[in-house]
Amino acid sequence: QKEVEQNSGPLSVPEGAIASLNCTYSDRGSQSFFWYRQYSGKSPELIMFIYSNGDKEDGRFTAQLNKASQYVSLLIRDSQPSDSATYLCAVNPGGSQGNLIFGKGTKLSVKP
Amino acid sequence: EAGVVQSPRYKIIEKKQPVAFWCNPISGHNTLYWYLQNLGQGPELLIRYENEEAVDDSQLPKDRFSAERLKGVDSTLKIQPAELGDSAVYLCASSQGPGELFFGEGSRLTVL
Repeated sequence: QKEVEQNSGPLSVPEGAIASLNCTYSDRGSQSFFWYRQYSGKSPELIMFIYSNGDKEDGRFTAQLNKASQYVSLLIRDSQPSDSATYLCAVNPGGSQGNLIFGKGTKLSVKP
Repeated sequence: EAGVVQSPRYKIIEKKQPVAFWCNPISGHNTLYWYLQNLGQGPELLIRYENEEAVDDSQLPKDRFSAERLKGVDSTLKIQPAELGDSAVYLCASSQGPGELFFGEGSRLTVL
């Protein structure tokens, strides 16, 4: 059973702080990794993807991947109340040809 | 560019009744997905289409669920008969490449 694990939270951070969201996955052959943001009552939207080990930065967001540890994280710098949402980690396991396996999501709350 | 369009947004039915959901993907996206999302959980794949072909329906409960994607564009997901446990949000998504999914707003089903 291929699994994606996330701490459900809630993770609470003050405005302006760095929020760190973590995700582990079970399939060592996984090829690509995605972070989706889901506001309450809305559908998921893609915010970051990463394919190679290391860091990938996009504005206030940084995705980090460590395939040896089967670990992917998302850092949000200068967190804003508008970042309050559930963040879903999704993994494309090896051989699945595009079928993503989603974690349960981590609920982030940014306090003004 | 129009996003993924789903209808209806909300549906309330009694158990044992049939229900159908419709999805129109982003123009040019050959891959279409139906996901199910329960409260507090991540999306779970029901079926994936590449053009008209259902390439992965291993998670679709075929005794009561069916889906079709005629002409490789719009898709319909049907449940007959619905059960109480089918209450969830049914998400349609489309993509050009593996993993970068664009979701519709979802169809929220309540079975009484």
